Amino acid sequence: KAGVTQTPRYLIKTRGQQVTLSCSPISGHRSVSWYQQTPGQGLQFLFEYFSETQRNKGNFPGRFSGRQFSNSRSEMNVSTLELGDSALYLCASSPAGGSPYEQYFGPGTRLTVT
Amino acid sequence: AQSVTQLGSHVSVSEGALVLLRCNYSSSVPPYLFWYVQYPNQGLQLLLKYTSAATLVKGINGFEAEFKKSETSFHLTKPSAHMSDAAEYFCAVTPYSGAGSYQLTFGKGTKLSVIP
Repeated sequence: KAGVTQTPRYLIKTRGQQVTLSCSPISGHRSVSWYQQTPGQGLQFLFEYFSETQRNKGNFPGRFSGRQFSNSRSEMNVSTLELGDSALYLCASSPAGGSPYEQYFGPGTRLTVT
Repeated sequence: AQSVTQLGSHVSVSEGALVLLRCNYSSSVPPYLFWYVQYPNQGLQLLLKYTSAATLVKGINGFEAEFKKSETSFHLTKPSAHMSDAAEYFCAVTPYSGAGSYQLTFGKGTKLSVIP
C-alpha cells in the first residue's frame, strides 16, 4: 500500500498570504489528523477529520482551517500567514476499525514564511 | 488533560551500547502510549505502542518499552545501539476515550547520537 502523501513538500510564502496544503491518506483510512512541528513548540495537534467531519481541534487560531473530502483526502488552509507559521506540517492517517489510535505519518510539508 | 515529559533533549551512546530514552506521562484516564522516530527531513515512523495489553511492548528495529503505571513511565530501550538508530525520538500519549478521538500529545523529543 502506498503511504501517506503530502503536497507540496516545500513551500515559501510571504506574510499576509494564504496557503493550502494537501494530504492523501493511506487507502482505506478514514481519519486524517494534522500536526504542526516547530523547534520551539515541538509537535502540536491542529485538527482531526473523520468522514468529512472535524472531530477534534487543537488550540490554534481560526486562521488555521481544514476540510476532508469524500475520498478521505484532506486539505488544511492557513490564511493571513505570519512569520511564526513557518513549520513542518505533518498529516497522519488512521484506519477506521483498525488498531486504536495508530497513526501513520506523511513526510510533511515544510512551510517557510518570509 | 494529558502531557508527556521526555528527560534529556540529547542522548549520546556508543555503538553497541544500551539505548535508554526516558518518557514520563500524565493522564487523567488510562492512556495509550507510543514511541515514534523521525529521521532528518522525514515524517514520523511508529516504533511501538502500548494499548493496555502486555506492559512490555516490543517494536521494530529491536526497540522495546515497558509501561509502569506506578511510575507513570514508558521508557524506550534497545540492548545494542546501531549507527542507523541516530534520529529523533518522540513519546506520545492519547487518552482512551472510546470515542475514536485520535489526538496525540507529544513530548519535546530526544535526539539520539550514536558514536562509532
